[in-house]
Amino acid sequence: GDSVTQMEGPVTLSEEAFLTINCTYTATGYPSLFWYVQYPGEGLQLLLKATKADDKGSNKGFEATYRKETTSFHLEKGSVQVSDSAVYFCALSVVVSTGFQKLVFGTGTRLLVSP
Amino acid sequence: GAGVSQSPSNKVTEKGKDVELRCDPISGHTALYWYRQRLGQGLEFLIYFQGNSAPDKSGLPSDRFSAERTGGSVSTLTIQRTQQEDSAVYLCASSLVRTGGNYEQYFGPGTRLTVT
Repeated sequence: GDSVTQMEGPVTLSEEAFLTINCTYTATGYPSLFWYVQYPGEGLQLLLKATKADDKGSNKGFEATYRKETTSFHLEKGSVQVSDSAVYFCALSVVVSTGFQKLVFGTGTRLLVSP
Repeated sequence: GAGVSQSPSNKVTEKGKDVELRCDPISGHTALYWYRQRLGQGLEFLIYFQGNSAPDKSGLPSDRFSAERTGGSVSTLTIQRTQQEDSAVYLCASSLVRTGGNYEQYFGPGTRLTVT
């Protein structure tokens, strides 16, 4: 079945360091891919998405490129800030009926950024 | 505008008791989804609603779980005879529905259920 695998955390970085969080997926068909973020004490928020191969999603300095050949959607940021400390979830969408999709999530990666 | 709200935010219950979790979606969102997040695991899809109808209940973990939605709005997830393995954060999401598109699911803050 469809699944998402992402690197285990926590990932601990100093401010201004480069961030990569790996995500690979297994899916039939051509799913959309997402990164969601959960800040401490808050709900899940969509960070970025890509709907087809070679698309690049970007938001708040974060980027991820939909790589069909490697079935990957790695999250990157050139210079992290303390405020980026959160749990990051990679997800793909599976159509359950016309217009409706469920999300299949990875286990989440906690990012801790120190000053 | 108002986002997705869930209540209660925390619930501690004794094993064997029934619990009801509530979700208030964003106004006008036809689609409503329930997910579960157990400690150390990813979010697990439970059920979705098209309006008031749940076409596929196969994601519910057992027959102790049920869900309903009324008036195309509020949804309740009921767990009967709770077990310790039901302890998790239960998340609700809602979205618009249009054919041929990918629409963002907006998540509520979740209900943390602890079964003792």
